[in-house]
Amino acid sequence: EVQLVESGGGLVQPGGSLRLSCSASGFTLGTYAMHWVRQAPGKGLQYVSAISNNGGSTYYADSVKGRFTISRDNSKNTLYLQMSSLRAEDTAVYYCVKSRTTMVSPGDYWGQGTLVTVSS
Amino acid sequence: DIQMTQSPSTLSASVGDRVTITCRASQSIDIWLAWYQQKPGKAPKLLIYKASSLESGVPSRFSASGSGTEFTLTISSLQPDDFATYYCQQYNSYSPYTFGQGTKLEIK
Repeated sequence: EVQLVESGGGLVQPGGSLRLSCSASGFTLGTYAMHWVRQAPGKGLQYVSAISNNGGSTYYADSVKGRFTISRDNSKNTLYLQMSSLRAEDTAVYYCVKSRTTMVSPGDYWGQGTLVTVSS
Repeated sequence: DIQMTQSPSTLSASVGDRVTITCRASQSIDIWLAWYQQKPGKAPKLLIYKASSLESGVPSRFSASGSGTEFTLTISSLQPDDFATYYCQQYNSYSPYTFGQGTKLEIK
């Protein structure tokens, strides 16, 4: 059974940093591209970042470019999102998402999400 | 960036109704469109990929069509479990892979 379990969320002050982790099981992480998608409270889905299956290519929404870094350790079955210079508008539930295929493609499995709150 | 616009934003319908949600892209995305269903407090669920391909395990009352800039998701006979929010997402080019704003399907 495919499982994605996010961790690392919490309360952080504006300008602070946080690292999210996503532990994957039930499939071979290195076979698939992965994504991070977020959802602010009461709002719609917003694409954040993606990474190719081998980590060689990364993609970012303009709103997080230069502040967030996506990475992966396929040997540890773990996806990461390093977030810095956090702003109030980064407050959201962050979902780890598995691509349907090796290429960056729609997400067929989603984690339960981890809440990041940026507030003083 | 490619902008995705869904209509309507809210849709009220009854069990057994046939409903259609529309998604428009600001430029052509060929067939690279997905549809998701999200229920309150839950992660989204993939329903449709490549504009019209039904994800495994999704009931056949869900169907979708379209190409280029206009796409539709149709539920042929609404069931109680279908009342949720629906999102489209383009994945034609990483601009990034933008979502529509969502359509909330409510019970009339």
